[in-house]
Amino acid sequence: QKEVEQDPGPLSVPEGAIVSLNCTYSNSAFQYFMWYRQYSRKGPELLMYTYSSGNKEDGRFTAQVDKSSKYISLFIRDSQPSDSATYLCAMSDLRRGDTDKLIFGTGTRLQVFP
Amino acid sequence: DSGVTQTPKHLITATGQRVTLRCSPRSGDLSVYWYQQSLDQGLQFLIQYYNGEERAKGNILERFSAQQFPDLHSELNLSSLELGDSALYFCASSVVAGLTEAFFGQGTRLTVV
Repeated sequence: QKEVEQDPGPLSVPEGAIVSLNCTYSNSAFQYFMWYRQYSRKGPELLMYTYSSGNKEDGRFTAQVDKSSKYISLFIRDSQPSDSATYLCAMSDLRRGDTDKLIFGTGTRLQVFP
Repeated sequence: DSGVTQTPKHLITATGQRVTLRCSPRSGDLSVYWYQQSLDQGLQFLIQYYNGEERAKGNILERFSAQQFPDLHSELNLSSLELGDSALYFCASSVVAGLTEAFFGQGTRLTVV
C-alpha cells in the first residue's frame, strides 16, 4: 500500500463548478500537507500548505485536513479553464531539527471545460 | 518562473550511457532536492543537499549520484542508463532544510532509447 493515495482521474467539470480533490494517507506522523498544481510540461507549483488539522482558504482555493480520518481535500470554487492541470497532494513528517522529504500522491488530472 | 533553473530541458540517450543533469537553485536557497517523476510512480524523492552536504536520501539507485557545489548549484549524475530510467527529473530548492516552501524547476525530460 502506498503511503499517499490519490485518484488519478481524469476529472472533467464545467466552468464554474466546485471541484473537490482528495488524498488519503497511512502515516499518522504526517504533519505538513501541501497541494501542488502542475501544468503540462511544467514543474509543480506550490498552491497551499497547512499544518496539522483544519482549514485554510486562499481565494478560490480551500484546503482541509482531517487527521483523524487521514484524509485531505482541496476545493476549488468557481473553477476556470485555466485551472486545468494535474493537482498533486504532498505530505511531510518534518520534525524539529530533522530534514524532511515530501511524499507525493500520483496526482489528479483536472479538466475544466468552458 | 520559479527561479529554479534546470538544464537541459530534454535529453535523449542510449542505454548504458551516462548523463549529467544540472540545477541552479533560487538565489539564497541553500537546500536542493531531486525528484523523479514517472507516469506510474508519480514524484519520487531521490536525494537532498543542504549547503553542500548530503542531507537525506530517498529511493535513489546506486547508479545515480548527486552533488552540490560551493556556488550551491547541483548536479545529478545518472549512469549505466536503462530504459526504465526514462522520466522527468525535477530539482526543487528552498531556503532552509524544509520543503514547506520549496520551488520546483521545469524539469529535465530524459528519454533512454
